[in-house]
Amino acid sequence: KQEVTQIPAALSVPEGENLVLNCSFTDSAIYNLQWFRQDPGKGLTSLLLIQSSQREQTSGRLNASLDKSSGRSTLYIAASQPGDSATYLCAVRWYSGTYKYIFGTGTRLKVLA
Amino acid sequence: NAGVTQTPKFQVLKTGQSMTLQCAQDMNHNSMYWYRQDPGMGLRLIYYSASEGTTDKGEVPNGYNVSRLNKREFSLRLESAAPSQTSVYFCASSASTAIHQPQHFGDGTRLSIL
Repeated sequence: KQEVTQIPAALSVPEGENLVLNCSFTDSAIYNLQWFRQDPGKGLTSLLLIQSSQREQTSGRLNASLDKSSGRSTLYIAASQPGDSATYLCAVRWYSGTYKYIFGTGTRLKVLA
Repeated sequence: NAGVTQTPKFQVLKTGQSMTLQCAQDMNHNSMYWYRQDPGMGLRLIYYSASEGTTDKGEVPNGYNVSRLNKREFSLRLESAAPSQTSVYFCASSASTAIHQPQHFGDGTRLSIL
């Protein structure tokens, strides 16, 4: 069964710290993996999309890596700021199945000023 | 530039009542989706539509119906609401018809069924 797991469910860090969020998935035959940000009471905003042939993607202070063999992706946030406080979700698309696009439950991040 | 707009933002219903959640996108996207988000669970697909006039069931379609009224609008209907349908509902859209992968999300409808 294809599953996506994000641990921890919640994380608090002081401002300025570099941090890593984790996303694990079963079945390495993925098509791509996407990281989203969700602010309280809002919808999801796409941050980074990594295709299966790629190892990483970068956008500003964000860097997402992909290791298919170990079934893991990490989202690295450099020099965290209070404005980074949000829930971060990953979603994985597999090759099989029309709607084999599965979201993790997210990591709720709080950056303390 | 509104993106994906959902109405209403909040709603409280009694068990057995019916309701339609509205969604509209202004990006000329082909595909539209309805998801529900429950505590401790990832977003789960209810229905999606790859193009006007077509709809397909997702992971959790029971108790729901949808209508793709035109390219812009995709509505979700609860015919007889049940407490288990208390959730946050998100509509999403994407340009592609071939690959099911939502890209733009609305801000959600928070629905409580008493």
